[in-house]
Amino acid sequence: EVQLLESGGGLVQPGGSLRLSCVASGFTFSTYAMNWVRQAPGKGLEWVSLITGSGGSTYYADSVKGRFTISRDNSKNTLSLHMNSLRAEDTAMYYCAKAYTTQAWGWFDPWGQGTLVTVSS
Amino acid sequence: EIVLTQFPATLSVSPGEGATLSCRASQSVTSYLAWYQQKPGQAPRLLIYDASNRATGIPARFSGSGSGTDFTLTISSLEPEDFAVYYCQQRSKWPYTFGQGTNLEIK
Repeated sequence: EVQLLESGGGLVQPGGSLRLSCVASGFTFSTYAMNWVRQAPGKGLEWVSLITGSGGSTYYADSVKGRFTISRDNSKNTLSLHMNSLRAEDTAMYYCAKAYTTQAWGWFDPWGQGTLVTVSS
Repeated sequence: EIVLTQFPATLSVSPGEGATLSCRASQSVTSYLAWYQQKPGQAPRLLIYDASNRATGIPARFSGSGSGTDFTLTISSLEPEDFAVYYCQQRSKWPYTFGQGTNLEIK
């Protein structure tokens, strides 16, 4: 069974930094692209970032480009999101999501349970 | 970026009836559209990908159709567990984008 377990969320002041992690199990981690998707409280879904299976390519939403960095450690089955210069509008539940197939990066399934990031002074 | 507009925003339907949810793209996404279901307090779940393919384990009462800019998710006979928020999403062009969601509620 595929499992994704996020951690690292919490309360951070504007301008601060945070690192999210997602530990994966139940599949060959290195062969799948991985994504971060966020959801502000009471709002819809926003794709944040994608990293290919090898880690060789990364993609970002314009709203986080230059502030967030996605990375992965395939030896530890771990996906990370380094978030810098955090803003109030970054407050959201952050989900780690596996690409549904090895070819179609852009379909997300399954998702982790999420980790909540709150940016506030 | 490609904007996905879902309508209606809220749909009230009785259990056992059918439901049709719509998603319109601001430009063609060919067939690169998916549908997700999200229940309160839970992560989303993939229902349909490539416009009309059911994901693993998704019941046959869920079906998707459309291409280009207009897409539909149809639920043939609503079960109590189907009342949730549904999102469409495109992977045709970066950045990937989602619609704002349709809240399917019990009438």
